[in-house]
Amino acid sequence: KNEVEQSPQNLTAQEGEFITINCSYSVGISALHWLQQHPGGGIVSLFMLSSGKKKHGRLIATINIQEKHSSLHITASHPRDSAVYICAVRSRGGADGLTFGKGTHLIIQP
Amino acid sequence: GAVVSQHPSRVICKSGTSVKIECRSLDFQATTMFWYRQFPKQSLMLMATSNEGSKATYEQGVEKDKFLINHASLTLSTLTVTSAHPEDSSFYICSARPQTSGSRETQYFGPGTRLLVL
Repeated sequence: KNEVEQSPQNLTAQEGEFITINCSYSVGISALHWLQQHPGGGIVSLFMLSSGKKKHGRLIATINIQEKHSSLHITASHPRDSAVYICAVRSRGGADGLTFGKGTHLIIQP
Repeated sequence: GAVVSQHPSRVICKSGTSVKIECRSLDFQATTMFWYRQFPKQSLMLMATSNEGSKATYEQGVEKDKFLINHASLTLSTLTVTSAHPEDSSFYICSARPQTSGSRETQYFGPGTRLLVL
């Protein structure tokens, strides 16, 4: 069973700061997802990675397959980025469903 | 973009009653849908994988007779919580994998259903 760990669990930062959220997992994967969950509960898929790096606007996601580690970066953070960010993986050769981390609760203060 | 809807968005029911939650892919066909559950302060957990036209595959510890899943069409999967108890109170969320996706990794999430059993 894949164990997915995220850090930090909670993060409060000032508007404009560069944010990094980390995710590590224990078993080889076929893909890693970064998701955003807002207070109402709805989930938005931000990135899906199997290698390298992806960028979308102010968001950057990287993954190191050898080290079983991924990071999500937010540049020029804004209060509207406040949300829970969740890392989820699909284990290589495993079932199709995802295994989730506990999430990082991010608050960006004006 | 691909849209997945869930209905209802929230439901309150009495203990012992059954509740049906619908998950629909609005602008694409989904051969596979996933049902997840999230308890307060906990991570999302996969409950079952639903494939159109066949029986769902349940994760260990999830009672298939309690959580009935039907995936009768390529755009609709339903989760029925039978004889609901207060401990079933949770946030239920579905995701759908497009039939025509170039990657089996693609999943689109619904907005979730918050269930409260009194």
